Amino acid sequence: GESVGLHLPTLSVQEGDNSIINCAYSNSASDYFIWYKQESGKGPQFIIDIRSNMDKRQGQRVTVLLNKTVKHLSLQIAATQPGDSAVYFCAESRSGAGSYQLTFGKGTKLSVIP
Amino acid sequence: DAGVTQSPTHLIKTRGQQVTLRCSPISGHKSVSWYQQVLGQGPQFIFQYYEKEERGRGNFPDRFSARQFPNYSSELNVNALLLGDSALYLCASSNGQPNTEAFFGQGTRLTVV
Repeated sequence: GESVGLHLPTLSVQEGDNSIINCAYSNSASDYFIWYKQESGKGPQFIIDIRSNMDKRQGQRVTVLLNKTVKHLSLQIAATQPGDSAVYFCAESRSGAGSYQLTFGKGTKLSVIP
Repeated sequence: DAGVTQSPTHLIKTRGQQVTLRCSPISGHKSVSWYQQVLGQGPQFIFQYYEKEERGRGNFPDRFSARQFPNYSSELNVNALLLGDSALYLCASSNGQPNTEAFFGQGTRLTVV
């Protein structure tokens, strides 16, 4: 069935380096995407979102890129810090479906090496 | 402002029992969605409620039910608990409009023994 998935299950980066977390989605009808950060024992924390009429959106130290042609989403974290260590999920939804539901991938674990 | 609050934070139940989980959305948000997150996986959609009406249901058995109250808080009920129901149950709050931010609570960790 259609789903959202991630290319890499784990990612280790040096503190201060930039991190890139990738996500592939297969539902071409998806028109809204969110990145979440989840620390151990906590609920997902909203990081940044992007709508399908955009291809880039920037937040504080984070940038989300959307490539609809290849159905690919990425999260870039600048100057990665130890506090960025967590599991990152991308989630997608589509308007007009009658309900607002998010479909999540399995997640990528980001480990920051001090 | 208070975020999404869920109670209880942890719960241990025996197989066959029933459980009720509670969620209060962010003030002003009229939509509550429930998700189940099994260890090592992403959250799976269970229900969405908006203005006290069920708007969506995921692929979960009828043992799972929910409701939303006039103050927009919500309860998730699970009957005849199975070991496989052990998971983190998450509540998400949004204004209910498509393509808007959804914010999660800390979740309720349910363990079925």
